[in-house]
Amino acid sequence: GEDVEQSLFLSVREGDSSVINCTYTDSSSTYLYWYKQEPGAGLQLLTYIFSNMDMKQDQRLTVLLNKKDKHLSLRIADTQTGDSAIYFCAESLSGYSTLTFGKGTMLLVSP
Amino acid sequence: NAGVMQNPRHLVRRRGQEARLRCSPMKGHSHVYWYRQLPEEGLKFMVYLQKENIIDESGMPKERFSAEFPKEGPSILRIQQVVRGDSAAYFCASSPTLRGQGASPYEQYFGPGTRLTVT
Repeated sequence: GEDVEQSLFLSVREGDSSVINCTYTDSSSTYLYWYKQEPGAGLQLLTYIFSNMDMKQDQRLTVLLNKKDKHLSLRIADTQTGDSAIYFCAESLSGYSTLTFGKGTMLLVSP
Repeated sequence: NAGVMQNPRHLVRRRGQEARLRCSPMKGHSHVYWYRQLPEEGLKFMVYLQKENIIDESGMPKERFSAEFPKEGPSILRIQQVVRGDSAAYFCASSPTLRGQGASPYEQYFGPGTRLTVT
């Protein structure tokens, strides 16, 4: 069955890099996503990666995928206080498939 | 281009009443997904619809819950005879068709959610 695991909490100082980790169990996953949720708000799609890629970079965000270990990470460079939020990792089997989410990692950025 | 719209944003119902949650997908999107988020939990898939069709309802409770996406108008998630355990945030997401304009079909865009409280 599908299962996505994340660490629950991460605290960093402003200006440092943040690395949020995620593991998944379904080797059939073909798309892996990172979403951001601010308090009381919906989910904002940050980035996604196809399973045939190892890395994707988008401005301050770097996604690394280790398909062998089923491990996904999101690195945020130069973390700002506005990056404080809950970050969800999600997987799907195809582009139109439903998403399976982890429980989210709360990132707290202190000045 | 407006994003995914959901209303109401907050809904309070007494036990036994009905709750109706509405979702208008982004323009050009014909795929709608409903997810439920319980307190301090991740989102759990409920149902996936296209216009006038339910594609996958494997995450929907068998009783009291129903969903539709008519040819015209928003998608509706309906919960009959609500119980306290239904209290949660309900999120709708939409994704475009392959031939649609804008973003990739692999991207699901979420609305702000409806927070249902059952008293």
